[in-house]
Amino acid sequence: SNVLTQPPAVSVAPGETARITCGGDNIGTISVNWYQQKSGQAPILVIFYDRVRPSGIPERFSGSNSGNTATLIISRVEAGDAADYYCQVWDGGSDHVVFGGGTTLTVL
Amino acid sequence: QVQLVQSGGGVVQPGTSLRLSCEASGFIFSKYAIHWVRQAPGKGLEWVALISLDGSTKYYGDSVKGRLTISRDNSKKSVYVEMSNLRPEDTAIYYCAKDMGGFPFDAWGQGSLVTVSS
Repeated sequence: SNVLTQPPAVSVAPGETARITCGGDNIGTISVNWYQQKSGQAPILVIFYDRVRPSGIPERFSGSNSGNTATLIISRVEAGDAADYYCQVWDGGSDHVVFGGGTTLTVL
Repeated sequence: QVQLVQSGGGVVQPGTSLRLSCEASGFIFSKYAIHWVRQAPGKGLEWVALISLDGSTKYYGDSVKGRLTISRDNSKKSVYVEMSNLRPEDTAIYYCAKDMGGFPFDAWGQGSLVTVSS
């Protein structure tokens, strides 16, 4: 079954670009979704199908997926982007949804 | 607007059972699969269960399989989970989530806290 590996923490200064990776065996062959979760709140979808932004999500959020790594890219990071971020896939081999372990984004 | 409103939860003793509910509004409920996801205190997201739009297909996470039953009533726009033989490690916030199609979850409930403790 799929195991998704995320770095526990990423830190960036305001205005810089944050890249949060999600590693998995041949993850580039399946769709990856990304969620943002702020403290005490339910998650919200920020990227789906690798690179599509839902309505209301700033253009600063983008995604890519190739080979064994999917990446969430947050450009011009703002203080309000500080949150936990999770990648997620559907593993058709096991009929399970799989979440990555999550990455805490700190804005310095 | 799309809303998922959860009810149920609370403090329960180990070995007992609990039912959580998730009532939808703002979209055609019968056209979408629904998932449950949980989050233990200070931990990440863990997928728990999926029910298809008509209730004919159900999948469960390994940690709850055999102890959790998901169901839905499209006439009431609601999804339910019944958890039995609860263990302390089931302590978590449980969320229901709407599957927009192809497994992105584009709407989430507010969460229900379940605490399993003697």
